[in-house]
Amino acid sequence: AQSVTQPDIHITVSEGASLELRCNYSYGATPYLFWYVQSPGQGLQLLLKYFSGDTLVQGIKGFEAEFKRSQSSFNLRKPSVHWSDAAEYFCAVAGTGGFKTIFGAGTRLFVKA
Amino acid sequence: GAVVSQHPSWVICKSGTSVKIECRSLDFQATTMFWYRQFPKQSLMLMATSNEGSKATYEQGVEKDKFLINHASLTLSTLTVTSAHPEDSSFYICSARLRGGAAGELFFGEGSRLTVL
Repeated sequence: AQSVTQPDIHITVSEGASLELRCNYSYGATPYLFWYVQSPGQGLQLLLKYFSGDTLVQGIKGFEAEFKRSQSSFNLRKPSVHWSDAAEYFCAVAGTGGFKTIFGAGTRLFVKA
Repeated sequence: GAVVSQHPSWVICKSGTSVKIECRSLDFQATTMFWYRQFPKQSLMLMATSNEGSKATYEQGVEKDKFLINHASLTLSTLTVTSAHPEDSSFYICSARLRGGAAGELFFGEGSRLTVL
């Protein structure tokens, strides 16, 4: 069955510190992979996506993610976190032939001064 | 580009009334729109897939008579919560797939918070 696992319900990092949010997926073929960010009371905003090619993808707001097929992972990283990055982050997977997107449970990021 | 707008952002209604939420793609055509429900501190639960000009496809466990979805044009889908009850209170989010866009690349509305008294 298709699934997305975000092992960390919440993470706290200090402002200026590096960040890595974990995402593992289960899918029969190579999926499309996404990271979205949601601020409180808002919809979701696409940070980055992976369809094919270079396994290290760059996104908006200084985020990047690396697709590792052998580990079925698509972890999100940022070298230096800003207080404005505090939000909920969702990893998502979609099939190349279909339109349904499966979301992980989300990881809430807290940033401390 | 690729902006999706939802209206209203929040709504409070009495139990037993119906509430309509609109989802519009402002600068692109969306052949497919999706409706989600999100409970506090939880992920998005897909309710239904809305295709322009055809009936919506509902996920298992979602009452189609309770949550009426209409996708009358390439830029508008509506979700009507009929005879709303307090347990229907939630954050409803729509998303749209760009016509000709890649599967899974979705653009989200701002969400609509429904509170049923």
